[in-house]
Order: sequence, then C-alpha cells, then structure tokens
Amino acid sequence: NAGVTQTPKFRVLKTGQSMTLLCAQDMNHEYMYWYRQDPGMGLRLIHYSVGEGTTAKGEVPDGYNVSRLKKQNFLLGLESAAPSQTSVYFCASTPAGFQPQHFGDGTRLSIL
Amino acid sequence: KQEVTQIPAALSVPEGENLVLNCSFTDSAIYNLQWFRQDPGKGLTSLLLIQSSQREQTSGRLNASLDKSSGRSTLYIAASQPGDSATYLCAVMNTGNQFYFGTGTSLTVIP
Repeated sequence: NAGVTQTPKFRVLKTGQSMTLLCAQDMNHEYMYWYRQDPGMGLRLIHYSVGEGTTAKGEVPDGYNVSRLKKQNFLLGLESAAPSQTSVYFCASTPAGFQPQHFGDGTRLSIL
Repeated sequence: KQEVTQIPAALSVPEGENLVLNCSFTDSAIYNLQWFRQDPGKGLTSLLLIQSSQREQTSGRLNASLDKSSGRSTLYIAASQPGDSATYLCAVMNTGNQFYFGTGTSLTVIP
C-alpha cells in the first residue's frame, strides 16, 4: 500500500519562484492536511480540507494556497517563494477528524 | 490559541528501563489527543489516539493517559528497546478540526 505520497521529496528554489507540492493518498480519506515543520517550532498546520472541493486555513496560511479538486489529491502552492518558507512540508490524511492521521515522508524545500 | 508543551526535550535511558514522556496543553476543550513517533528524515507514525471522553489507551508496550481537566497526557513506554529511539510528538485536535503539535521529546535508548 502506498498510503500518503508526497512529490517532490526535495526541491531548491530561488526567491520569487513559484511551485506546487503534490500530496496523493490511496486510502479514500476525506480529510487532508498540509503542515510545515521547523526546528524548535514543531509542526504547524498550513491548510486543510474536509472533503473534495473544500479547503480551510490553518495556523500559518499566509503565502500558501491549496486546492482539492480530486478526493485523492491535495495540492499546496507557493506563489512567490520567500526564504522564510524554507522548511520540511508534511501532508497527512485521515478518514475523519476523530481517527488517526497518516503522514507522508515529507518534502524538504530550500529557498535561496 | 492552543499551546502544546513536551517535557523533556531529550531523554536518554538504558535498555530495559520503563519511561514516561509528558505532554501538556493550555486549552482543555479538545476533541482528541494523539501520540506520534518520528524517525529521522521520515514522516510521523501514529502510535495512540485518545478521544476526549477516554482516560487511556494501550498498544503493546505503550500506554497513553489523558487528564483533560488538568491539560496533561503521558506516554508510558515499558521495557524500552534501542528500536524505540526516535522523536515522540503529541498533538491535540480542537473542535475546529485543527491540530496543534508539541515540539517533541527525542528519546535515545542505549543498548
């Protein structure tokens, strides 16, 4: 079982460039989440979705956009990358909010 | 805003020892609490989930307790093994579908 797959695994961007991170899950989960993990800060929720076609802001949404056009995919976009967005990005999914989350292995993003 | 704290930040124990990891949170209006394990360079693996109406959950050598009124949870690991070495994180879910994570406890089990 693939579970939660994140693409790409690593990326280096220059300030001002744009990119999209893809999260795909094959478990038919309704809920999907995007987090960033920074040293000393723990994981912080960026955006989340409670079903196909829905998105909502998390704790740190500024500078990011998301889309959930298909149930199995949750895309995270950076329109104009900034050095402060250098981080490890994790995607997670769950059948419902009261059930355990399943995480991908992360995308390591560096912005120069 | 929910604040989640984990103490200690790092812990080193000899193999076979029983240990307790602590997690505290400031807002007791939680929906559930989850404990995760994270290995270096990897994502998070869910270990135990406790609903707000529950007091504890057990899985193998792991036992997690929840005292919602005092804003505390503990993860008890029995008979620790070198393979238990990892970072352990707790996360609380508020009623608004948002999760708040602690910064984790880095555990090293010495053979």
